Amino acid sequence: NAGVTQTPKFQVLKTGQSMTLQCAQDMNHNSMYWYRQDPGMGLRLIYYSASEGTTDKGEVPNGYNVSRLNKREFSLRLESAAPSQTSVYFCASSEHGTGNNQPQHFGDGTRLSIL
Amino acid sequence: AQSVSQHNHHVILSEAASLELGCNYSYGGTVNLFWYVQYPGQHLQLLLKYFSGDPLVKGIKGFEAEFIKSKFSFNLRKPSVQWSDTAEYFCAVNLDSGYSTLTFGKGTMLLVSP
Repeated sequence: NAGVTQTPKFQVLKTGQSMTLQCAQDMNHNSMYWYRQDPGMGLRLIYYSASEGTTDKGEVPNGYNVSRLNKREFSLRLESAAPSQTSVYFCASSEHGTGNNQPQHFGDGTRLSIL
Repeated sequence: AQSVSQHNHHVILSEAASLELGCNYSYGGTVNLFWYVQYPGQHLQLLLKYFSGDPLVKGIKGFEAEFIKSKFSFNLRKPSVQWSDTAEYFCAVNLDSGYSTLTFGKGTMLLVSP
């Protein structure tokens, strides 16, 4: 049981390049999330998908796009990478029922450096 | 705006010392509260959560947290820390109505010296 799988684990890009971070979960969860983690800033929500077919902006969406490809997969795209997007990116998923008390399950992260 | 505050950015303790990490939130309404731990180089893992019932919640690895509604607090405690507890700890909160995403605190880095 893999849980939440992110690829790649590491990536170095040049400013202006584009790339897509992949995320897949095998827990049949409705909701999926993308966060970035920066030192001293905690986790900040970039985009989320409450259910298959929907996506919404989080706290820091500028410079990113997402696609909920199906229930399992939720990708994050940087169209034109900037040094300010150097960060560790985490994907997470959770079940969502009648309340919001289900915990989120996290992937191992993607460490992204933009030169 | 909704926010989560963790009082200490860095905490250094010796093994066997007691731990208390503070977390305060500013939300109107019924909340769900979580503590996550991130060991060096790893992803976040759930330590414990509170959503209703007994405000004293016990989690994994001997951790517990107490929800004090009047103080908008959810402090994490452990009576005796171990070197293996060295990690970053995050408090997170969401509303228990509609669809509400998690808001994380900035984290507390705990270093336990042997």
